Amino acid sequence: AQKVTQAQTEISVVEKEDVTLDCVYETRDTTYYLFWYKQPPSGELVFLIRRNSFDEQNEISGRYSWNFQKSTSSFNFTITASQVVDSAVYFCALSADNQGGKLIFGQGTELSVKP
Amino acid sequence: GAGVSQTPSNKVTEKGKYVELRCDPISGHTALYWYRQSLGQGPEFLIYFQGTGAADDSGLPNDRFFAVRPEGSVSTLKIQRTERGDSAVYLCASSLDTYRDRGRGTEAFFGQGTRLTVV
Repeated sequence: AQKVTQAQTEISVVEKEDVTLDCVYETRDTTYYLFWYKQPPSGELVFLIRRNSFDEQNEISGRYSWNFQKSTSSFNFTITASQVVDSAVYFCALSADNQGGKLIFGQGTELSVKP
Repeated sequence: GAGVSQTPSNKVTEKGKYVELRCDPISGHTALYWYRQSLGQGPEFLIYFQGTGAADDSGLPNDRFFAVRPEGSVSTLKIQRTERGDSAVYLCASSLDTYRDRGRGTEAFFGQGTRLTVV
């Protein structure tokens, strides 16, 4: 069975603080893909990143960075120098290679960045 | 249009009524997905189309739920005899051909959803 766990339900930080959102996944598949999506108050899920199971290289995109560790089945997301516009619900998701792109989502972490 | 379009954006219906929710995917995307998101939860998979056929409908909760995609583009999610527990945001997403894209994963683009309220 596949499962994604985001243990942090809500996080509140003050602007310019760094914040890390945790994601732990479970799968028996050897080939799989991990994703992060952002859901602002408007409701539309916005794609942030995709990682495949064979690529454990960490990635940085501006203020965003991702740490993928297969040994601990984790795919954590860090926002550096957070801004008020980062306030949203963030979802981690998993897709197996033989599942046709079907996503299994975690419960989400609501991030609130206060000025 | 440039993105995935869902109509209506909001739908209020009485218990027992029939509803249809529409999804217009990104042009050229052959894969289309329906998800349901309850308050405070992550989206839950309902059904996935590859072209006109339902490739995986394992997430449909019961036989009151049905979806079609007759021409391989627009899809309609149909709910019969609605119940209060059906109230949720129904999200549609589309992506490129999942078979051709195999090996790179599939990036799905989501619409803004239809908020269904059953009273």
